[in-house]
Amino acid sequence: DTEVTQTPKHLVMGMTNKKSLKCEQHMGHRAMYWYKQKAKKPPELMFVYSYEKLSINESVPSRFSPECPNSSLLNLHLHALQPEDSALYLCASSPRGRGLTTEAFFGQGTRLTVV
Amino acid sequence: SQQGEEDPQALSIQEGENATMNCSYKTSINNLQWYRQNSGRGLVHLILIRSNEREKHSGRLRVTLDTSKKSSSLLITASRAADTASYFCATDLTREANNLFFGTGTRLTVIP
Repeated sequence: DTEVTQTPKHLVMGMTNKKSLKCEQHMGHRAMYWYKQKAKKPPELMFVYSYEKLSINESVPSRFSPECPNSSLLNLHLHALQPEDSALYLCASSPRGRGLTTEAFFGQGTRLTVV
Repeated sequence: SQQGEEDPQALSIQEGENATMNCSYKTSINNLQWYRQNSGRGLVHLILIRSNEREKHSGRLRVTLDTSKKSSSLLITASRAADTASYFCATDLTREANNLFFGTGTRLTVIP
């Protein structure tokens, strides 16, 4: 299994809602990432988990809350989002938890619309 | 914090021609990677070149890296319509492993 699976594929939520994005991989990778991508822009790194511990937090607003319950799962909890948070949210994983960054495998993303 | 810039922003070529994209980055890196993204989809890894390598090939792809100029290029030879996509370089920072920052991207259109 060489896939990173993200659910849901599409999500529409109101500004007062609480929702979660999910990401799963079964490749034994020890680093997992969340990216945010706006239209016609590059992916922006949000969070990195290394061996299930948060290792990088790129000054993301607290309305985004990551969670890594185990080595295969990564969640992104969303609360009180703003319309400008509408974007494609991408999850990725890579084999190494420490040391040199290696090839990252990406999911197909969750298209989030905040209304 | 965006690490790299690519040029051109957009490139349109005829099928069969070669396409060259350039990436410049700001700080010291461990390695540089190139990714491809079809419209609104996930990214696919193409090739990784380490900071101590100068050139790497993979099929129709050729990547060069010049650490003194902090730049890299991706050459796609004998392009096909199916190569139409956005191409991004991505770098990690030597001070922090397991980060991966993307450049601004080049939108390539290959006309059949």
